[in-house]
Amino acid sequence: AQSVTQLDSQVPVFEEAPVELRCNYSSSVSVYLFWYVQYPNQGLQLLLKYLSGSTLVKGINGFEAEFNKSQTSFHLRKPSVHISDTAEYFCAVSVEGELTGGGNKLTFGTGTQLKVEL
Amino acid sequence: DARVTQTPRHKVTEMGQEVTMRCQPILGHNTVFWYRQTMMQGLELLAYFRNRAPLDDSGMPKDRFSAEMPDATLATLKIQPSEPRDSAVYFCASAVDMSQETQYFGPGTRLLVL
Repeated sequence: AQSVTQLDSQVPVFEEAPVELRCNYSSSVSVYLFWYVQYPNQGLQLLLKYLSGSTLVKGINGFEAEFNKSQTSFHLRKPSVHISDTAEYFCAVSVEGELTGGGNKLTFGTGTQLKVEL
Repeated sequence: DARVTQTPRHKVTEMGQEVTMRCQPILGHNTVFWYRQTMMQGLELLAYFRNRAPLDDSGMPKDRFSAEMPDATLATLKIQPSEPRDSAVYFCASAVDMSQETQYFGPGTRLLVL
């Protein structure tokens, strides 16, 4: 079974400062990696995903993440945050065919609350 | 802009009552997932369907929860009888098919059982 660890439950940061949200995973097989964002009272929205290829992945809203296989990490970064980035961010991992019938199961971390302050 | 829709967005009910949550997946998506989000457990997969057939509901309490897809445009999650510990946000997500990695989430149903 896979697991995801998000090391920080809350990250306060000032507007226009850089931010890094940390994510580590454990798996004995190849994985797909995702970052989702959840704004208050809304569903999860996909920010970016790593499936294969280049280890640096760019997503929406200026976010990027780097897959590091040796460190089993997939940290999310943004060089300059905005007030509107205040939200909860979830890292997730999936393994192809893990579900009954061959589907991909998403295993989520516990989330990191990013709070951007003026 | 295709989206997953869920109704109701909020539900307050009393213990013992039946609760039905509905989800309309994105048109053309044949895989539907139900998740539950709580502070204590985070996001948990309850059940998932492919082509309207339930493939895995091992995450769901069998005695009181049931999930169905009456047709390709409607998935339902029912709790009968409801209990206070069922209070959570329930999300539906859909994907183009089982092999597709990206799941698209609905806005959720926030359930409070008193």
